[in-house]
Amino acid sequence: DAMVIQNPRYQVTQFGKPVTLSCSQTLNHNVMYWYQQKSSQAPKLLFHYYDKDFNNEADTPDNFQSRRPNTSFCFLDIRSPGLGDAAMYLCATSRDIGGQETQYFGPGTRLLVL
Amino acid sequence: GEDVEQSLFLSVREGDSSVINCTYTDSSSTYLYWYKQEPGAGLQLLTYIFSNMDMKQDQRLTVLLNKKDKHLSLRIADTQTGDSAIYFCASYGWWNQGGKLIFGQGTELSVKP
Repeated sequence: DAMVIQNPRYQVTQFGKPVTLSCSQTLNHNVMYWYQQKSSQAPKLLFHYYDKDFNNEADTPDNFQSRRPNTSFCFLDIRSPGLGDAAMYLCATSRDIGGQETQYFGPGTRLLVL
Repeated sequence: GEDVEQSLFLSVREGDSSVINCTYTDSSSTYLYWYKQEPGAGLQLLTYIFSNMDMKQDQRLTVLLNKKDKHLSLRIADTQTGDSAIYFCASYGWWNQGGKLIFGQGTELSVKP
């Protein structure tokens, strides 16, 4: 089945130790998104790629970076994780930009920072 | 700024109807979505409605949109224990930086047998 895959499902890192979360998709969608969802809160968009074009949200901390080496893969890099970065990180894809373009979500990676 | 609000909890009995409410602030919202999130899982799209529609029905789900009041609701008929989850309302609009989804905090639906 075509889908959005996130690995790992759970990630434990140490305070200040760089960590990378990965997302892959078999939908061949142009757009890939990363959301941060803290406990009992709404998912919040960090950034998205439209093809190779990177679009950062204004309030996304510099500590968060992303790479998209090809259509299928997108990575979220947290350069120096703090305790406040512990959250569920959701990857999503859509065929194109626009409200009519459904976003398909992966299962998420839960990040724990010790 | 843009905001989407939902009540946090709803408890119903199995077989009853559930109604989950949502309000949004931005009149430029073009599409409104309902997503379901089960424990430890990602978001599953349930349904969506375009802003020029008043109602959309999809099997047990009915979405009502009152654009004047910026109020959206999701009705689940014959609610089952498997419907227990967190339900997120999301508004798609064109904000300062471009189009994006803004999510509410989610409503935790508890279905009691």
